[in-house]
Amino acid sequence: NAGVTQTPKFQVLKTGQSMTLQCAQDMNHNSMYWYRQDPGMGLRLIYYSASEGTTDKGEVPNGYNVSRLNKREFSLRLESAAPSQTSVYFCASSEVSRVFSNQPQHFGDGTRLSIL
Amino acid sequence: GENVEQHPSTLSVQEGDSAVIKCTYSDSASNYFPWYKQELGKGPQLIIDIRSNVGEKKDQRIAVTLNKTAKHFSLHITETQPEDSAVYFCPRNDYKLSFGAGTTVTVRA
Repeated sequence: NAGVTQTPKFQVLKTGQSMTLQCAQDMNHNSMYWYRQDPGMGLRLIYYSASEGTTDKGEVPNGYNVSRLNKREFSLRLESAAPSQTSVYFCASSEVSRVFSNQPQHFGDGTRLSIL
Repeated sequence: GENVEQHPSTLSVQEGDSAVIKCTYSDSASNYFPWYKQELGKGPQLIIDIRSNVGEKKDQRIAVTLNKTAKHFSLHITETQPEDSAVYFCPRNDYKLSFGAGTTVTVRA
């Protein structure tokens, strides 16, 4: 099994450009998440989807939109990229939809995004 | 909400020695305590977890211990090897706080 697959792995954008990061999981998990990781800041939750058809804001949602396309796929969109959004973005999934904290999350290997 | 503090922020150990990382939590209702490892260029990966009805869990060279009275749980790595060099996280249970900065472990050859 591939687990959680993120595309692309690397991307360079110019300020103001738009971009969609793709994420797919093959574990039949209900919940999916988008994080960003910056040096010294750990991982911060951007958006999550507890189940197909629902999405909610996390800690740092400004400047981002998400779409839970189906149970497998959860995309993250930057409508007008800014240098402050330069980061490594991780997608994750977990089995349980109701109780976030009680099941492990499975992560992809990240998308490294640079915005000039 | 839940508050979890992880210490130390960095840890350097000689190969073969043991490493211990401690996390202290505030919510007495917490019942699930996972540890994640993140290697360079990779996403975090669950390495071991424990639930509140268990005091200790081992998996080869790693173990997690839970002290519910003192509200802390620890990751123990014995006989450290170079491949143990990574960042280790004990994520907060409140999803809005996400993961902290973790502990950067360096194993010296």
